[in-house]
Amino acid sequence: AQSVTQLDSHVSVSEGTPVLLRCNYSSSYSPSLFWYVQHPNKGLQLLLKYTSAATLVKGINGFEAEFKKSETSFHLTKPSAHMSDAAEYFCVVSGPTDKLIFGTGTRLQVFP
Amino acid sequence: DTGVSQDPRHKITKRGQNVTFRCDPISEHNRLYWYRQTLGQGPEFLTYFQNEAQLEKSRLLSDRFSAERPKGSFSTLEIQRTEQGDSAMYLCASSHDRVESVSPLHFGNGTRLTVT
Repeated sequence: AQSVTQLDSHVSVSEGTPVLLRCNYSSSYSPSLFWYVQHPNKGLQLLLKYTSAATLVKGINGFEAEFKKSETSFHLTKPSAHMSDAAEYFCVVSGPTDKLIFGTGTRLQVFP
Repeated sequence: DTGVSQDPRHKITKRGQNVTFRCDPISEHNRLYWYRQTLGQGPEFLTYFQNEAQLEKSRLLSDRFSAERPKGSFSTLEIQRTEQGDSAMYLCASSHDRVESVSPLHFGNGTRLTVT
């Protein structure tokens, strides 16, 4: 069965400093992995996806994630946080029939 | 195209009442999914359609829940005899058929249900 574990429920950073949101996955086959972002009172938005092409995936708004099979990880990073990055971030693995299995989320706070 | 549309945005109902939500997917998408999200949790899969066929239902979906997609376009999710535990955000998403790689889901803004 497929699953994801988001290692931090909350992350706080100062504006302009790097962001690291950690995710480990479990999958019985080669997985497709995603990061989605959810701003307050807004719908889920796709940040980036990994589908067995390049292991370093670039997404929108300067985010990127690296697929590491040996570590079963898919951490999300951004070199410099912006106030507008404050949101809930979900690591997601695709199961059979392409249904998405979500992690419990990481709330990112950005302080000025 | 304006994306996935859900109606209503909010619904407050009394315990025991029936409620129905509607989802209009992106027009060229033939896959449609329903998810439920409670406070502080990630969305949980409920059910999935390919065109008009309901291909998978989660064990979370009790007999009080039913979903339809009669013409392979919009979908409805009905909850009968609502319970306070049904209070949640109900999310709809749509996508293309899988071709070479997984097609990402496009989500609507959700319907927030409050059962009093």
